[in-house]
Amino acid sequence: DTGVSQNPRHKITKRGQNVTFRCDPISEHNRLYWYRQTLGQGPEFLTYFQNEAQLEKSRLLSDRFSAERPKGSFSTLEIQRTEQGDSAMYLCASSLRGGFGNTEAFFGQGTRLTVV
Amino acid sequence: AQKITQTQPGMFVQEKEAVTLDCTYDTSDQSYGLFWYKQPSSGEMIFLIYQGSYDEQNATEGRYSLNFQKARKSANLVISASQLGDSAMYFCAMTAISSGYSTLTFGKGTMLLVSP
Repeated sequence: DTGVSQNPRHKITKRGQNVTFRCDPISEHNRLYWYRQTLGQGPEFLTYFQNEAQLEKSRLLSDRFSAERPKGSFSTLEIQRTEQGDSAMYLCASSLRGGFGNTEAFFGQGTRLTVV
Repeated sequence: AQKITQTQPGMFVQEKEAVTLDCTYDTSDQSYGLFWYKQPSSGEMIFLIYQGSYDEQNATEGRYSLNFQKARKSANLVISASQLGDSAMYFCAMTAISSGYSTLTFGKGTMLLVSP
């Protein structure tokens, strides 16, 4: 296990279609985070899980977005009825202990979504 | 709420020279952490350095050092002896106790280009 893994790396979809991304965190990391990064901006927080519990959601996470972490291991992020404004890089991160108040949080390489 | 400001959209430096990337932050929290991440074209956010608000010494990690000036609310990254592989986007970020250290707030980033 060499790090946080995200699949697919790239996704092109037509407007109105549903897409799902997967994130596999570092083994035994109990926290998992999703961020969205649009062109020319820094990443923005979407949501995070502690084990299988979704503890916080950003207002950026509209009702078209849903995230799950069913067994406290991998997580999926689904976007329904995609819009062109959803085009972005979706980043996943994981940490062993709670929160970012330490140096043990690691990011994946992201999934770049393009909605045409 | 936390806010990160990076005022340099782009910086150019010659190989082997030192470079400083600016970061100012705003928070009402007394306990917080400051981070710098590197994002190469591959998309992964690579952790570089961390500074806690109560740390008395400036953080250092190899060629990276964080110039922490608490009264001025600045957390500049200094890269000594730049290398060609340092060319990338650099993001300053922070977390704070009011969020339970559960979220990172990022700046817009600075693109660093290192020339031979």
